[in-house]
Amino acid sequence: GAVVSQHPSWVICKSGTSVKIECRSLDFQATTMFWYRQFPKQSLMLMATSNEGSKATYEQGVEKDKFLINHASLTLSTLTVTSAHPEDSSFYICSALHINTGELFFGEGSRLTVL
Amino acid sequence: GENVEQHPSTLSVQEGDSAVIKCTYSDSASNYFPWYKQELGKGPQLIIDIRSNVGEKKDQRIAVTLNKTAKHFSLHITETQPEDSAVYFCAASKGGKLTGGGNKLTFGTGTQLKVEL
Repeated sequence: GAVVSQHPSWVICKSGTSVKIECRSLDFQATTMFWYRQFPKQSLMLMATSNEGSKATYEQGVEKDKFLINHASLTLSTLTVTSAHPEDSSFYICSALHINTGELFFGEGSRLTVL
Repeated sequence: GENVEQHPSTLSVQEGDSAVIKCTYSDSASNYFPWYKQELGKGPQLIIDIRSNVGEKKDQRIAVTLNKTAKHFSLHITETQPEDSAVYFCAASKGGKLTGGGNKLTFGTGTQLKVEL
């Protein structure tokens, strides 16, 4: 089946630094990818929709200048958490929409811990 | 926007028993309802989905039912096994497979299922 890879799977950083998380569709192309945030024992909350070659669409309440999204190719979207703070510590999950079948595939998630 | 409620938040069953998780949604325009299983520290995995033109779908031990009028859908797991223990999420969207709409999913709050020996 189609695979979506996230990297890194976990990262620890100091407060004030920036962290980049990659989301790759390994064996299919995706014009649309989604980024979610999941706090412990909570549901997945959509942060933004990433569109290849255009600006991302952010959900209400998500700061676009803090969570930078770049979808530079049909197989890669990146989420950069800028000036990270402890409250940004969370599990970040991406999903990719198969360009041909319309099926949605999820990555394995990236655990961010900000000290 | 869409609001999805899910119950129960925790469910404990004996191995071999059935488990039922229920969800309701608010937006009558939603037409695609997937269910995901999430194991600890991993991303969600699609286990079954249903579209609004179907009332029931079954895949081995897993089945989903949809009542469009009442705007609720349920997941049924029969003959539960310890490996079924996980968090289950329902979701709803206006787009679905092959229909475009972006597949912008709204998730339920999750159900922690524990299957005891």
